[in-house]
Amino acid sequence: GESVGLHLPTLSVQEGDNSIINCAYSNSASDYFIWYKQESGKGPQFIIDIRSNMDKRQGQRVTVLLNKTVKHLSLQIAATQPGDSAVYFCAEGSTSGTYKYIFGTGTRLKVLA
Amino acid sequence: EAGVTQFPSHSVIEKGQTVTLRCDPISGHDNLYWYRRVMGKEIKFLLHFVKESKQDESGMPNNRFLAERTGGTYSTLKVQPAELEDSGVYFCASSLQGDTEAFFGQGTRLTVV
Repeated sequence: GESVGLHLPTLSVQEGDNSIINCAYSNSASDYFIWYKQESGKGPQFIIDIRSNMDKRQGQRVTVLLNKTVKHLSLQIAATQPGDSAVYFCAEGSTSGTYKYIFGTGTRLKVLA
Repeated sequence: EAGVTQFPSHSVIEKGQTVTLRCDPISGHDNLYWYRRVMGKEIKFLLHFVKESKQDESGMPNNRFLAERTGGTYSTLKVQPAELEDSGVYFCASSLQGDTEAFFGQGTRLTVV
């Protein structure tokens, strides 16, 4: 599978615990934010998104929090499972223009049995 | 329904050679994006097509890279001549017109030796 880089920050979590992955974004004009999960050998897979008019959005076992004041995004995974092990990327974009994303460097999540 | 597919999944070429990567977006998706991840760094935007037109090619690194989307269906990304620093994983993504959620392919890992 793809080598995802030697210097990714890594978060190790015990199975069943909650995980929190953080991301700082760069562009104050961004109004759309996404979390992607990438497993080895696969492309980024959409997890959850949030628009700038919200500060929290929940999905199945996942919650995204947005703090526009400090340009911070977080992904919370409840009851982390072995299948959650992957690299997680945040991305920022705009709902106007070309919709291109600016990705963060990624965080590797390791779930310990 | 088939997702975004990319071909080849891996390519190893010598410096100076030419390589062409192909992306088949999800049927009906007018938006097609190319991104790449150079080893150890974040995923970076290359360009965006709307149907057959280049909407934004601000991320293309230099004129050795040429992207086409004739007929507004599949897209190709040609690197000629390839250099060592072009090694990385090239991702394609597609989305519906007016939709911010982009679906990614599995990527093509390019190694230039």
